[in-house]
Amino acid sequence: DTAVSQTPKYLVTQMGNDKSIKCEQNLGHDTMYWYKQDSKKFLKIMFSYNNKELIINETVPNRFSPKSPDKAHLNLHINSLELGDSAVYFCASSRDRAESPLHFGNGTRLTVT
Amino acid sequence: GDSVTQMEGPVTLSEEAFLTINCTYTATGYPSLFWYVQYPGEGLQLLLKATKADDKGSNKGFEATYRKETTSFHLEKGSVQVSDSAVYFCALSSGYALNFGKGTSLLVTP
Repeated sequence: DTAVSQTPKYLVTQMGNDKSIKCEQNLGHDTMYWYKQDSKKFLKIMFSYNNKELIINETVPNRFSPKSPDKAHLNLHINSLELGDSAVYFCASSRDRAESPLHFGNGTRLTVT
Repeated sequence: GDSVTQMEGPVTLSEEAFLTINCTYTATGYPSLFWYVQYPGEGLQLLLKATKADDKGSNKGFEATYRKETTSFHLEKGSVQVSDSAVYFCALSSGYALNFGKGTSLLVTP
């Protein structure tokens, strides 16, 4: 069973569109994250949630809105997509704070044309 | 804020060579330190961790020691294999975030 699964794996869309990426973890973890990896492989945290509560929102444009319906799910909705949003987005989870190891999904490659 | 600096890549080595990837950190408290590995087309996987000064993390022949006096957590392996080709990330925990270095790409040739 996949521990952290995110869909879709690939997402190609045009500028101005709205899209969502879904993430689910079956590890029983309390904390979930969204990271953005750019073309140079740099990973930057976007959001972290603990028990459905937003803990970290790292200077991400308001066009990005995470939603956590329960602690096993953390979805990412993006409005009015821009070229600069093209990246690989990773969902992750951990048992509690980031001292406990993060488990990553396989990523969603978003391409905005 | 808390941050990690790791050596730039790419690093190219021949099989069975010795590997060192340098990592230094800046932190106000006493973070846990990690090395993660990313194979092509995959998410990151935990390679090893250390939670306090002088701890040594080890896994799959890789080792790293938490050095508080030099604020370092260098990754080493005595004999690399082609299958070790990947991107390696040093990271430190900071509350509900894991802050990553920029990653070091390693290519091991037969």
